[in-house]
Order: sequence, then structure tokens, then C-alpha cells
Amino acid sequence: DVKVTQSSRYLVKRTGEKVFLECVQDMDHENMFWYRQDPGLGLRLIYFSYDVKMKEKGDIPEGYSVSREKKERFSLILESASTNQTSMYLCASSSVQGAVLDTQYFGPGTRLTVL
Amino acid sequence: GQSLEQPSEVTAVEGAIVQINCTYQTSGFYGLSWYQQHDGGAPTFLSYNALDGLEETGRFSSFLSRSDSYGYLLLQELQMKDSASYFCAVRSPNTGFQKLVFGTGTRLLVSP
Repeated sequence: DVKVTQSSRYLVKRTGEKVFLECVQDMDHENMFWYRQDPGLGLRLIYFSYDVKMKEKGDIPEGYSVSREKKERFSLILESASTNQTSMYLCASSSVQGAVLDTQYFGPGTRLTVL
Repeated sequence: GQSLEQPSEVTAVEGAIVQINCTYQTSGFYGLSWYQQHDGGAPTFLSYNALDGLEETGRFSSFLSRSDSYGYLLLQELQMKDSASYFCAVRSPNTGFQKLVFGTGTRLLVSP
């Protein structure tokens, strides 16, 4: 079974803090994704990585950065947390092979609250 | 750009059949997929359609009409555990070969 794990289920931070969210997958997937999920807005892509050290901006990258130093690990960084970044953050991974691209495996999510 | 529309909420009773529709607008198209998410849980993949027609997986089926830019998820013999949010997602040249764009989700409430 594919397993995607995230470092924390719940996180509370203060405005201006630097925040690191970690994601690890154990299926040797090439692609990894960071989404945020807000009520009524669905899942919105923040950043995407298709290989080690490679990244692409998603739909809402402002205020975020990412790091992928190893294939299995993808980190989301909030350089200076703000209250409007309070959200559920979901990490996902997928393989590059054919129709399997449409199958993304999600982690359990990190609910981040910025005070 | 690309956009997907699906109803925000659907209600049904146990044992019934329910259909959740999804219309999309994209330039080009690779496939439409469906994900289920229980409250507090992670989204999980349900089904995928790249070609027109019906794909069946147990009690769940998914349909696609590429000419109408339309698909639906059909849930039969509803059970209480089917209460969840359901997201359609599209992959297209616009989204990038390896990325999905998700709809805003349909919350399904199954009552006894």
C-alpha cells in the first residue's frame, strides 16, 4: 500500500513565524504535490515537484516555497506565516506512468492555525 | 484556463441511487477522475475515465461524455458510510501533463 505521511496533524503558529510542513512517501513516486483545502474552494495546488530539486508553481504559490532534496520527501515552507494561511494542507504523490497519473495518493493532512 | 462545476450538496437515503454530476471546461483533455473524502480524512481515488462510457467498480460507476464535457459518479445501494465529499478532477494539457485540477466538491449526506 502506498503511504504518504505528514509531519503533523495539527499545528498552531503565530503570525510572522517560519513554518515547515513535511511530507514523506514510500512508493518511489516521481511527482509530489502540496494543496491547501478551504471550505467551498476545494483543493488548490500550491506547488508541484516532478523530480528531486525540480518544482513548479501551482495556482496559489504566493507566500509559500518548497524544497525537494530527496525523492521521498517534499517540504512546504511558509516564510512568514499570516492568518490567511490558516487552512488544511494536503500532500499527495503520484507515479509518472500513463493513466496512473490520475491517481494521486494523499497524506492525512495538516491543519494549520496561524494566530 | 480550466474550470469544473459540481453541485455543492446532495442528499439521499440508504439503499437509494445517487448521481453526482461534473461539467468541465478545458482546452484539450486527458481524463476525468473522482475522489472521495470523509470528514477529517484524506481524499482517496475512486475512478478514472479517459474515454466515453461507463466504468464500473462495485457499487460505484463513473461516466464520461467528452463531447459534452460532462461526467458523473453513480453510487448505488447507498450506505451510511458513503456520506462524504466527492471531488471530480480533470487532467488536461492546460493543467500540465502530470497535474490535476479539482472541483469544489459535492457533499453527500445519506440518511437512514
